[in-house]
Amino acid sequence: GAGVSQSPSNKVTEKGKDVELRCDPISGHTALYWYRQSLGQGLEFLIYFQGNSAPDKSGLPSDRFSAERTGGSVSTLTIQRTQQEDSAVYLCASSLVSWGVAGGPYNEQFFGPGTRLTVL
Amino acid sequence: KNQVEQSPQSLIILEGKNCTLQCNYTVSPFSNLRWYKQDTGRGPVSLTIMTFSENTKSNGRYTATLDADTKQSSLHITASQLSDSASYICVVSPDFSGNTPLVFGKGTRLSVIA
Repeated sequence: GAGVSQSPSNKVTEKGKDVELRCDPISGHTALYWYRQSLGQGLEFLIYFQGNSAPDKSGLPSDRFSAERTGGSVSTLTIQRTQQEDSAVYLCASSLVSWGVAGGPYNEQFFGPGTRLTVL
Repeated sequence: KNQVEQSPQSLIILEGKNCTLQCNYTVSPFSNLRWYKQDTGRGPVSLTIMTFSENTKSNGRYTATLDADTKQSSLHITASQLSDSASYICVVSPDFSGNTPLVFGKGTRLSVIA
């Protein structure tokens, strides 16, 4: 596709339910990032995938959060037993190559439109 | 603690006017600084990326400046347009190894009115 796509665009769930958020990166991009944007806060790094290397999970806030990337392309972020504090916009980004989790000075990260998650 | 502070939190200006947004950071070491524009309901879009050795970079009506000594950056918008209404986010990359995640500011919400 022309850009990073995410689905669903909006998700409303009840506390305690599991949710899956999907990210389709730009074709050919080897690096993929997940971020969380809570109301009034800056983006918070969650997890980073680079090619076939083990993902950098250092930003995941709890073991209820997990992510996988199948075939080096599509990624799914899963939140188990959702809590109200999980409510946020979850953004995915991809880059052509990567120089570590920050992406490098000349390596632009292209963001998707995000999934707005609301936990009731 | 690595932090990026932006000011003002929000700003309203008349169409056609100029404005300057500020970014102060306490990130060390420092690799590069980026400005992003985020329209409501959309993901951030990169405007400029500057390494520590660059003082200024322009992208159309957007001009970013960087003073690595004082750890300050600014984004100047010239002849504002209604479409400039968005959040502008300052982002700092902490190190050259690339092993530390980007540090994001909370953004400045700009509203351009007719």
